Parts: sequence; structure tokens; C-alpha cells
Amino acid sequence: KQEVTQIPAALSVPEGENLVLNCSFTDSAIYNLQWFRQDPGKGLTSLLLIQSSQREQTSGRLNASLDKSSGRSTLYIAASQPGDSATYLCAVNSQGGSEKLVFGKGTKLTVNP
Amino acid sequence: DTEVTQTPKHLVMGMTNKKSLKCEQHMGHRAMYWYKQKAKKPPELMFVYSYEKLSINESVPSRFSPECPNSSLLNLHLHALQPEDSALYLCASSYWTGRVGSPLHFGNGTRLTVT
Repeated sequence: KQEVTQIPAALSVPEGENLVLNCSFTDSAIYNLQWFRQDPGKGLTSLLLIQSSQREQTSGRLNASLDKSSGRSTLYIAASQPGDSATYLCAVNSQGGSEKLVFGKGTKLTVNP
Repeated sequence: DTEVTQTPKHLVMGMTNKKSLKCEQHMGHRAMYWYKQKAKKPPELMFVYSYEKLSINESVPSRFSPECPNSSLLNLHLHALQPEDSALYLCASSYWTGRVGSPLHFGNGTRLTVT
């Protein structure tokens, strides 16, 4: 059974810092991995999707990497801003049978002005 | 602004009521999803529709009944719910499902309270 872990559970940084969020998964047989952000009381916003054949994806100040063999992904946020404050969720689409996403519990990020 | 629209935003219902949640997208996506999210927890998949056919039911109790009238609309019919069913119900869509994934687009959810 696929399990997804995100460390740390919460992170507080000053504005302008570069930071890394971590995601690990137990079964390396995945189709793809997605990073989402969720603002309080809102739905999820897709940030980046990495196919299993890819190593990384970039969008603006965000860069996500995937090391399938070691079961790890990182989300790098450059020059953080207070507007980046949100919960960031990692989800994997596993080849284990059903076409569903398995989510981690998320990292709550606070960027202080 | 989200491209997946969910109504209502908030719903309070008694355990004997029947109500429906609605979801609409006009992005031409062929897969639509219902998720349930409890406070401080990640979303849990309930149902997946692919090309208007139910493809995944995650052993959801029959008091939740999904319906996909057409490729743009998704409903969730609620009947005889329990207080523990109170949660944020999220609708999502994607261009397709399967090995070559496409990003999920989520609505802002319906906050359901069962009294």
C-alpha cells in the first residue's frame, strides 16, 4: 500500500528565504506526482505535475524534482513571499491498481514579512 | 478564480434531509472526482467518473450517491447523513485519468455540517 510522508509538518521562514519542502513515498512504482497548495477553507491549486519519466518541473519561482528510485520529491520555492503562506500537499498516482492520488498530510508554510 | 464551480458553498442539513451538491466545469475535462476532506487532514477520494461513467467508488456508504448528467456536471446526492459526515466536499476535474496524468483542478468546496 502506497504511503506518502511530508516533512516538516510546519515551517516558518522570513520573507525572501529560499526553502525546500520534502515528500517521500514508499512504493516507487508511480505514474506521476503532483504538488498542490491549499489556502485555509479553500480547494487545492495544482502547482506542478511530474511524470514518472521526468526529473523535474519548473514554474516561476517553483521547482519540483523527482527521484523515483529513492521515493523522494522536493519542492523548491525561491525568494519566498508572504503570499506563499499555505499548506503544500504532495500526491502520487500509483501504479498499484487504481487511478487515484495518495496524498501526504501536507506542510503548513508561513512566510513572515 | 477557480475554473471548477461548486454550489452551495455552505450547507447545513439534518440527518433526515435530502440535499445535493453540484459541481460544474467547462474546461472540456473528461474525468471528474469527489473528495472528502476533514479538518487538518488530506483529501480522501470518494468517486471518480471517467467519460461520464463511474470508474471508481472507494467503498463509500450508499447515503452518498453520485451522478454525472453530462461531461460538465457532477452531482453528489446526500440522504440520511450522520454528524461524522460533516466535512469539506471537494470536486475536481482533469483532462483524463491514467498513466499519463493531467493536473487536477479543484473547486473551492462545499462546507457541509450535519446536525
